[in-house]
Amino acid sequence: DAGITQSPRYKITETGRQVTLMCHQTWSHSYMFWYRQDLGHGLRLIYYSAAADITDKGEVPDGYVVSRSKTENFPLTLESATRSQTSVYFCASRPGGDTDTQYFGPGTRLTVL
Amino acid sequence: ELKVEQNPLFLSMREEKNYTIYCNYSTTSDRLYWYRQDPGKSLESLFVLLSNGAVKQEGRLMASLDTKARLSTLHITAAVHDLSATYFCAVGRGRYGNKLVFGAGTILRVKS
Repeated sequence: DAGITQSPRYKITETGRQVTLMCHQTWSHSYMFWYRQDLGHGLRLIYYSAAADITDKGEVPDGYVVSRSKTENFPLTLESATRSQTSVYFCASRPGGDTDTQYFGPGTRLTVL
Repeated sequence: ELKVEQNPLFLSMREEKNYTIYCNYSTTSDRLYWYRQDPGKSLESLFVLLSNGAVKQEGRLMASLDTKARLSTLHITAAVHDLSATYFCAVGRGRYGNKLVFGAGTILRVKS
């Protein structure tokens, strides 16, 4: 089915471990985004990408790494997870151009023990 | 630094009543987005407002944008239970407004 998917949907890990969250979209959208959602903060942008091999920092990039070798995939890696990275992570995408909104994936709930 | 404030953060309404959610932001932008989120779910786009004076309506919801006042409103007319959700406004920065800065969200509960 077309759309934007995230995996895993739930993840429990331990402090110091590396974790990769996957995001895949079938719309061939140019732009892809990673957000984290924490109570009282709304959503905050971590990284975004304008195209394959083009990425840029958002509001809270520290502790995260992204890559985009293919248009449809935008993985987010926590190189050494910390408890403060416990959150719900949303991936989003949007087409190129001026007028469209961002379309969000179902989210990944990450717990760092 | 762009700050986005929503008011109120929690709203309990009776069915059939009207109310407005306010979204104030601190620096100039002409791109404002409204999203809805049901508990445990993802965000659903409601409105995209891209110019001063923009007004959009969908069912019982109407959104407007005043870029001079740095204010957007989401007006709810004759609320029904199905509108219970969390509503977020987000202001776009950068090229095509890609860098969204979200408000904290307004939790809306409509009671019969």
